[in-house]
Order: sequence, then structure tokens, then C-alpha cells
Amino acid sequence: DAGVIQSPRHEVTEMGQEVTLRCKPISGHNSLFWYRQTMMRGLELLIYFNNNVPIDDSGMPEDRFSAKMPNASFSTLKIQPSEPRDSAVYFCASTLGYTEAFFGQGTRLTVV
Amino acid sequence: GQQVMQIPQYQHVQEGEDFTTYCNSSTTLSNIQWYKQRPGGHPVFLIQLVKSGEVKKQKRLTFQFGEAKKNSSLHITATQTTDVGTYFCAGPGNQFYFGTGTSLTVIP
Repeated sequence: DAGVIQSPRHEVTEMGQEVTLRCKPISGHNSLFWYRQTMMRGLELLIYFNNNVPIDDSGMPEDRFSAKMPNASFSTLKIQPSEPRDSAVYFCASTLGYTEAFFGQGTRLTVV
Repeated sequence: GQQVMQIPQYQHVQEGEDFTTYCNSSTTLSNIQWYKQRPGGHPVFLIQLVKSGEVKKQKRLTFQFGEAKKNSSLHITATQTTDVGTYFCAGPGNQFYFGTGTSLTVIP
């Protein structure tokens, strides 16, 4: 397995634009997590899916953020409209139960 | 929600010195995991502790889980430049929260 795959690796967008981040978890894993990492706030859990169902989205900062997992092999995190303070590295991770979490390479988002 | 705090936030050591980071949870953990993130990289799993008072070693790294299962520590003996990075603890549960992390700098 190629591991957790995220795309794009880097994204630069203008304020107000829609941004969509993509994640392909490891095949067979039943849990998927989206994290945001910044120097100020560290690694923040945004949302957690179990068997494709959103379990806890209390970490999603605002209504501008939304996440979907239409099937076991794909998830998206969308920001609309984007703002400069959304600039961060966004990680996707997948696990099988409560075993080790495998992280993707991350998407570095810059909103100008 | 669950909070997992780590101290210190930053640590600079001379190569060869020891290093310890501490992890404290506001709630009892079923188990605890430790991860390392190299600069510019992504968190990578190191180890999982499950039992109260458990101690595990990986070469120069020693991991300990507290008796009450609310705290944990990672100790590195004789640090090397390859140990540079941020060390996170995580409390797997419904939300899989990560600690605030300790950034380690090793001065050659």
C-alpha cells in the first residue's frame, strides 16, 4: 500500500476562493481524521470519520469548513470562502480501530 | 473535550545530553501513543503503551505510562542530531487527540 495519499501537496490561493483538499486513506482502515497544524495552535483535530460517517466535527473552526467521505477510499476537506488565517498544513490520517495513525504527507495551504 | 498537554513546549540540548518530554491528560486514557515529526515532515508512529505503569524501550528511547493512565513520558538518552523533531503524545479514543508537542533541537 502506498500509504495515505493527500493532494495537492501545496496550494496557493487568493482570499475568497474555494479550496478542496483530498485524501485517500490506507485500504482497509475504518477511521479517518483531518488535522490542521500551525505554529501557534499545534496539531488540531478538525473532524473524525468512522466507517465513512462523521463522528465528531467539533474541531471544525467555522461553517466555511466542510468535510465529506463519500466512500471508504476518499475524503475531502473544503474551505469556502478561504481566508488568510486558514493558511496552515492540513494532514489526513487513517487508522484501523485505535491502532497507530498513518499520516499523509500533508497539504501546505497558503491563502493570500 | 479531552485535553492532552505536553511540557516543555521547546527544548534545546547539546548533543549527548538527555531529553525528557512529559504528557498529561485531563482524563484517563485507555492507551497512549507517541509520534515523531521531523521538520517539514508528517507525524510518524513510534510506540503504543497500554498497561498501567508500562515501560518500553526502543534503543535510546524510553517510554513510560503512568500508574493512573493519565500521564506519560518519553526519555531520550544521549541525544543525537537525528533526534531533532517534534514529539507528540496521543490519546487514542473516539477523537484521537494529539498533545501540544515538544520541539527538540539538538546542538552539535
